[in-house]
Amino acid sequence: KQEVTQIPAALSVPEGENLVLNCSFTDSAIYNLQWFRQDPGKGLTSLLLIQSSQREQTSGRLNASLDKSSGRSTLYIAASQPGDSATYLCAVTKAAGNKLTFGGGTRVLVKP
Amino acid sequence: DAGVTQSPTHLIKTRGQQVTLRCSPKSGHDTVSWYQQALGQGPQFIFQYYEEEERQRGNFPDRFSGHQFPNYSSELNVNALLLGDSALYLCASSLGHYNTEAFFGQGTRLTVV
Repeated sequence: KQEVTQIPAALSVPEGENLVLNCSFTDSAIYNLQWFRQDPGKGLTSLLLIQSSQREQTSGRLNASLDKSSGRSTLYIAASQPGDSATYLCAVTKAAGNKLTFGGGTRVLVKP
Repeated sequence: DAGVTQSPTHLIKTRGQQVTLRCSPKSGHDTVSWYQQALGQGPQFIFQYYEEEERQRGNFPDRFSGHQFPNYSSELNVNALLLGDSALYLCASSLGHYNTEAFFGQGTRLTVV
């Protein structure tokens, strides 16, 4: 059974510092990995999707890496801003069209 | 282009009652998945509908059931509500079995009292 872990559960950084968020999964046989952002009480916003054949994906200040063999992904957010404060969730899927298995999320606070 | 829309946004029900939640997928998407998110936890997969049939199911009791309509919209029904069913219910849409990039709605906050 696939298990996804995100450590730490919460993180606080001063504005301008780079954020590094970790995601690990127990079964390396994944199809893709997706990073999401969730604001309090709201739905999930897709940030980046990495296919299993890719090593990284970039969008603006966001960069996500994937090391399938070691079961890890890292989301980097450059030059953090207070507006980046949210919970970040990673999720993996085993096959095309399959369900997402989520980690518990990392709650991020960026202090002005 | 409208994204995934869910209704209602909030509702309060009494233990033992039944509830129906609704979801309209993103334009062009034909697959709808439902997730339950308890406070402070990651979403848990309930089930997925494709071509009006339940294709996958997570570890949820039969009290949780669903339906997909010909226009791809979907309903989640929960019978005999328990206090533990209180959660944020999220709907996600995707394009069939070719691309699993999922797009989520804003969720329905269900409180059972």
